[in-house]
Amino acid sequence: QVQLVQSGAEVTKPGASVKISCKASGYTFTYYAIHWVRQAPGQRLEWMGWINAGNGNTKYSQKFQDRVTFTRDTSANKAYMELSGLRSEDTAVYHCARGGTVTYLDLWGQGTLVTVSS
Amino acid sequence: EIVLTQSPGTLSLSPGERATLSCRASQSVSSSCLAWYQQKLGQAPRLLIYGTSSRATGIPDRFSGSGSGTDFTLTISRLEPEDFAVYYCQQYGSSPTFGQGTKVEIK
Repeated sequence: QVQLVQSGAEVTKPGASVKISCKASGYTFTYYAIHWVRQAPGQRLEWMGWINAGNGNTKYSQKFQDRVTFTRDTSANKAYMELSGLRSEDTAVYHCARGGTVTYLDLWGQGTLVTVSS
Repeated sequence: EIVLTQSPGTLSLSPGERATLSCRASQSVSSSCLAWYQQKLGQAPRLLIYGTSSRATGIPDRFSGSGSGTDFTLTISRLEPEDFAVYYCQQYGSSPTFGQGTKVEIK
């Protein structure tokens, strides 16, 4: 079954970091990029960037480039998103999604809720 | 950054009716770089349309997309009960952005 399955919800404090995983199955992981998109409560979807699962190249949205790191483990078919310097405004559902480097997103993970609270 | 503005914010319609959703861009978008997604409460978005008018795999033909330049439209010809959801447009150029969404609700 072609799917992306993300790690579970996280509760963390301001200033901390969070790392979310996204496991791909049912397709050749290295043929695609993995994008990260977040959705804060009541807000529109917000693109954070992508990692090319094949060669590891990354592109980050300017808004997040100082705080976010994308990595991948091709042996495990997993992509990771780490966001540092967390603040309350980072409370959101974070999705991974499959795409090319300049394409639509045709497969989405179920989302991971990250709650930042003191 | 290209800002996408969707209208209306909410569309109240009955099953069987036609839905027309608009997406306007702050600057011209390549027709090959415009997509539409459907999102139901508590679920991930689902790709409906890419390249302005191409339906994604498994999407019924009651969904259609059109437009060019700065004005794009998603049309649902006859609403089915499962179509009541929030719809987002996205431009996927070098720095992708999404619209704020249109909620299609049961009247």
